[in-house]
Amino acid sequence: SQKIEQNSEALNIQEGKTATLTCNYTNYSPAYLQWYRQDPGRGPVFLLLIRENEKEKRKERLKVTFDTTLKQSLFHITASQPADSATYLCALHNNAGNMLTFGGGTRLMVKP
Amino acid sequence: EPEVTQTPSHQVTQMGQEVILRCVPISNHLYFYWYRQILGQKVEFLVSFYNNEISEKSEIFDDQFSVERPDGSNFTLKIRSTKLEDSAMYFCASSERTNTGELFFGEGSRLTVL
Repeated sequence: SQKIEQNSEALNIQEGKTATLTCNYTNYSPAYLQWYRQDPGRGPVFLLLIRENEKEKRKERLKVTFDTTLKQSLFHITASQPADSATYLCALHNNAGNMLTFGGGTRLMVKP
Repeated sequence: EPEVTQTPSHQVTQMGQEVILRCVPISNHLYFYWYRQILGQKVEFLVSFYNNEISEKSEIFDDQFSVERPDGSNFTLKIRSTKLEDSAMYFCASSERTNTGELFFGEGSRLTVL
């Protein structure tokens, strides 16, 4: 069956450090992978999309990599700030593109 | 900035009652979705809707659920006979396109079934 796996344990880091979150998937052949941020009690907010032919994508302090051989995406936040504390979700579409499935998310806590 | 709006923000209902959750997607978007999130759990896909019909649904979306776009702006989720396990946050989302389209989510409707 298809699975999207993210580390369910919270990641605690010190302000200013780089946070790295992992997303692994099985039984998908995605052309695209998306990352979202979710704050408690709020809806997910889109951050980045990376295509299968892009090894890396950047947006301000965010960087995403996508390795279709390893079936893995890494999400980095550089110079992290307490305001970056949230749950980060990776998501993949099915082949028809009409169902976006989310991983369980990883909670990031950035301490001042 | 355009946004997806959902009402009500919180609804409390008795088991067995019908509930309708309402959403106003972003006006130029063509694809609409409902997701649910049980407290402390992952965001789960329920259904996607395009061109006035369901395009995909999950196992969760059984005969107790239905969706409708009654006019040009609203998109509703109906739960016919609520169960305790339907208690969750329900998120509506819309997108301009599939595959590469980012989903824009509303703030959610919290449903509590007693």
